Formats: sequence, structure tokens, C-alpha cells
Amino acid sequence: NAGVTQTPKFRVLKTGQSMTLLCAQDMNHEYMYWYRQDPGMGLRLIHYSVGEGTTAKGEVPDGYNVSRLKKQNFLLGLESAAPSQTSVYFCASSYRGGPLNEQFFGPGTRLTVL
Amino acid sequence: LAKTTQPISMDSYEGQEVNITCSHNNIATNDYITWYQQFPSQGPRFIIQGYKTKVTNEVASLFIPADRKSSTLSLPRVSLSDTAVYYCLVVPNRDDKIIFGKGTRLHILP
Repeated sequence: NAGVTQTPKFRVLKTGQSMTLLCAQDMNHEYMYWYRQDPGMGLRLIHYSVGEGTTAKGEVPDGYNVSRLKKQNFLLGLESAAPSQTSVYFCASSYRGGPLNEQFFGPGTRLTVL
Repeated sequence: LAKTTQPISMDSYEGQEVNITCSHNNIATNDYITWYQQFPSQGPRFIIQGYKTKVTNEVASLFIPADRKSSTLSLPRVSLSDTAVYYCLVVPNRDDKIIFGKGTRLHILP
């Protein structure tokens, strides 16, 4: 099993450009999450999904959109990138939510917006 | 969601036991305490979870007093490879998301 994979690993964008980050999991998990991590800020939840076709807002959803058309994939979109979105993005998945359901994380995508 | 407070950073030496304490004063009855570990340039990984008293696994021990308003992660005989950020989380039954916070940056010295 590959676990949680993220594509791409690195990306540089210019302000105003758009892009989509892809997260894929092969563990048949229901729940998927997108986080961003900035220096000294820990992990902050952007959006999450509790099942195919569902999405919900996290702590910092502005400027991002997500889609969960297939159970195994969770896409994070930036329609018009801004320098404030320079960050490391982590995707995670879990079988369910709540206790006793640990989250499994991908390796991260390092995004720089110039 | 219960808020957690933990030290921003800690230093220790190889071979020592390290204890990281987390406070969560407004923890709810059905909440669990969970710890994740994040190595540099990697995503976090789950290390231990508990509800009350003591939990031990091959990586760490978790001590939770009777009032559950705090918890202590104990790492026995640390090595340089234990240098990482450690996150204390309170995981509720009633919600679908958890808050990671800033974690404790543990630096192990030779």
C-alpha cells in the first residue's frame, strides 16, 4: 500500500495563477483532510471531507476550494494564488472521524507563490 | 473544541527521559487525548492516545491524571532521532475535525 500520496511535491506559482493539488489514498478511508503548515504556526485545517461527494470548511478555508468526486481522491484548488498562500500543504486521511481513528499523512507539497 | 497548551520548545540530551506536559482545562467527558509526532520535512504521525490513567506502547507512555485537565507524554531514553515537533490534541466524539495547534519543538542534544 502506498498510503497517502500527494502530487506535486514542489510548485512555484506567480500571483494570480491557479493550480490543483491532488491527494490520493489507497486505504479505503472515509475521511480526508487538507492542512497548511507555516513556520511557527503548527498545522491548520483548510477543508475536510467525511465521505465521497462531501466537503466542509476548516479553520482557514478562504482562498481555497476542494472536491471529493471519488472516495480515494481529495483535490485542493487555488483559483488565484496569493503570496500569503506560500506554505507546505499536507493531506491526511482516516477511516472515520473522532477518537480511535488516527490520521495518516502524506509527504506534503511545498508551494511558493511569487 | 477543547484548547490545549503545551511548551513551545524543549531541549534534552541523549539517553534522558523527556516529559512533555499538555494542559486541556476544558476537556469534555467523551474527549480523548492524542499525541502526534512530526519529523522535519515529513507529515505528522500518530504516536499514542489515551482517555485516563496510563497508556504505554513501544514509542511512548501517556499519563493522564484523574481530573483529565492535563496529560504528560513521556519518551524514555531519547536519541537524536527523537528530535521532532510533538502535538497534543484533544479529539472529541462530537465533531469531525481536530485542531493541531503549534506543538512542542523537542531538540535532542548529543
